[in-house]
Amino acid sequence: NAGVTQTPKFQVLKTGQSMTLQCAQDMNHEYMSWYRQDPGMGLRLIHYSVGAGITDQGEVPNGYNVSRSTTEDFPLRLLSAAPSQTSVYFCASSRSAGENTIYFGEGSWLTVV
Amino acid sequence: GENVEQHPSTLSVQEGDSAVIKCTYSDSASNYFPWYKQELGKRPQLIIDIRSNVGEKKDQRIAVTLNKTAKHFSLHITETQPEDSAVYFCIAGAGSYQLTFGKGTKLSVIP
Repeated sequence: NAGVTQTPKFQVLKTGQSMTLQCAQDMNHEYMSWYRQDPGMGLRLIHYSVGAGITDQGEVPNGYNVSRSTTEDFPLRLLSAAPSQTSVYFCASSRSAGENTIYFGEGSWLTVV
Repeated sequence: GENVEQHPSTLSVQEGDSAVIKCTYSDSASNYFPWYKQELGKRPQLIIDIRSNVGEKKDQRIAVTLNKTAKHFSLHITETQPEDSAVYFCIAGAGSYQLTFGKGTKLSVIP
């Protein structure tokens, strides 16, 4: 199993550009989520999904969209990038929403200039 | 919502000494308390967890204690080694989407 795979690992965007961070898992996990990590802030939940076709907002959803058309994939879209979205993004999954152990992808380092 | 406070934010210990990181939480409904370790430039990885029906759990040099009444839990690392140097996060919550992270503790083990 590859686990949770994220792409790209590094990306530089200009303010106003859009992009999609890809996330895929091959563990047949129902629950997937996106976090952002900023210095001194821990990890904060952006969006999550408890299954295909179902998504919901986390703590910091503004400026981001998600969709979950398949169990395996959970892309995160930045519609119009802003410098405040410079961060490290982690995709994560777990067997179900009630299964607490979450597994993280390797992270995507995003810089918005 | 849940609020998790983690202390200290940085911790330096001599190799072989013990390290203790403490967290408090606010929501009495929280019933799951994992700890994640994140090495520089890497993903967070689960090192130990405890559920609300257990007061203490141990795994080799790592132990976690939970005091539900006081709403605090702690990570204890004994006989620290340089490879223990990392950022450690405490988490409190219920379901996977109800997990709140502490802000992290940067542990440095000095050889």
